[in-house]
Amino acid sequence: EAGVTQFPSHSVIEKGQTVTLRCDPISGHDNLYWYRRVMGKEIKFLLHFVKESKQDESGMPNNRFLAERTGGTYSTLKVQPAELEDSGVYFCASSHSSSYNEQFFGPGTRLTVL
Amino acid sequence: GEDVEQSLFLSVREGDSSVINCTYTDSSSTYLYWYKQEPGAGLQLLTYIFSNMDMKQDQRLTVLLNKKDKHLSLRIADTQTGDSAIYFCAVYNNNDMRFGAGTRLTVKP
Repeated sequence: EAGVTQFPSHSVIEKGQTVTLRCDPISGHDNLYWYRRVMGKEIKFLLHFVKESKQDESGMPNNRFLAERTGGTYSTLKVQPAELEDSGVYFCASSHSSSYNEQFFGPGTRLTVL
Repeated sequence: GEDVEQSLFLSVREGDSSVINCTYTDSSSTYLYWYKQEPGAGLQLLTYIFSNMDMKQDQRLTVLLNKKDKHLSLRIADTQTGDSAIYFCAVYNNNDMRFGAGTRLTVKP
């Protein structure tokens, strides 16, 4: 069974440009999460989808970030316009619906904004 | 302070035991996790412990939980070079997962 995949693995853009990150969760996982690790600090929660609905988006930094999960399968996270402080590693995770909530993580997308 | 705190670096010799410590603030945390991240890879769940447990052992891994002090530790016995990675402590409560900054474990031959 394929794990969580993320695309691209690396992205280097200039300040003011737009970038879209993609996450494909494990098939059958209703829960999808986005996290971010900035400058070697803690991994911070961004948002949580249950199927196509946003369950919790309290971690989204500002309105330059837009996450979607049309059809409840893969998800995209768009940053527009990107700022220098958006640089970091963006992780996606998915989990099956259960109280245990074991989250399976993707390899992350390393975003560098110049 | 941060919700979950870990020391950033730990260096041990191959064959020794490693102990990675973590403190957290949310006393309502129900599950506590240790994740491992190897270079270029995602986070791999190593082990977890329920908040009503004090200890969990799984082969070379031992997790100790002190709820009173809100302290979690991961002990790796007979540490190998393949254990070199970043280890993240995470606590979970009501659909909210909080991570530490990660401890980079270096194992010297």
